[in-house]
Amino acid sequence: DAGVTQSPTHLIKTRGQHVTLRCSPISGHKSVSWYQQVLGQGPQFIFQYYEKEERGRGNFPDRFSARQFPNYSSELNVNALLLGDSALYLCASSLVGQETQYFGPGTRLLVL
Amino acid sequence: GEDVEQSLFLSVREGDSSVINCTYTDSSSTYLYWYKQEPGAGLQLLTYIFSNMDMKQDQRLTVLLNKKDKHLSLRIADTQTGDSAIYFCAESQEPLSGGSYIPTFGRGTSLIVHP
Repeated sequence: DAGVTQSPTHLIKTRGQHVTLRCSPISGHKSVSWYQQVLGQGPQFIFQYYEKEERGRGNFPDRFSARQFPNYSSELNVNALLLGDSALYLCASSLVGQETQYFGPGTRLLVL
Repeated sequence: GEDVEQSLFLSVREGDSSVINCTYTDSSSTYLYWYKQEPGAGLQLLTYIFSNMDMKQDQRLTVLLNKKDKHLSLRIADTQTGDSAIYFCAESQEPLSGGSYIPTFGRGTSLIVHP
């Protein structure tokens, strides 16, 4: 079975630009979460979505937004990119109410 | 302070046991996890333990939980060079409104296994 997939794998943007990252969950998983992992740190929770609704939000500015589609895939959008947004962005999926999340390989974003 | 704390580095000799320690602050933590991250990769769930348990063993991995002291450890028996990676401790609580458990991670412990 395919695991969580994310695209693109790498991305380079300049300050002020906008970026869209994509995630496809494990088949049958309806809950998707997004995390930001800055170099040398653990992942920080950004959003969780289930049934196309936001179910949780971390301490991130409004420049960060996300949505979930009817097929349970998800997009993370970041506007007005800052240098500090450079990070590995991880997507995780799970069954609803499940105690475990399964992570994708991540998208590495570099903002210049 | 941080919600989940870990030491940053651990170096062991191949074949020895590794013990990675973690402390957390939230007494309402329901599940405690250990994830592994290899260079350039995502996170792999290694094992997890429910908060009312004090030990869990899975092949070479042993998790010990001291809930009173809010201390979690991961022991890797017969450590191999392929075990070299960053190990993240995480905790989660019951979701408030549907959805799934959301882990809060520590900064990770870099395990270096040398011959």
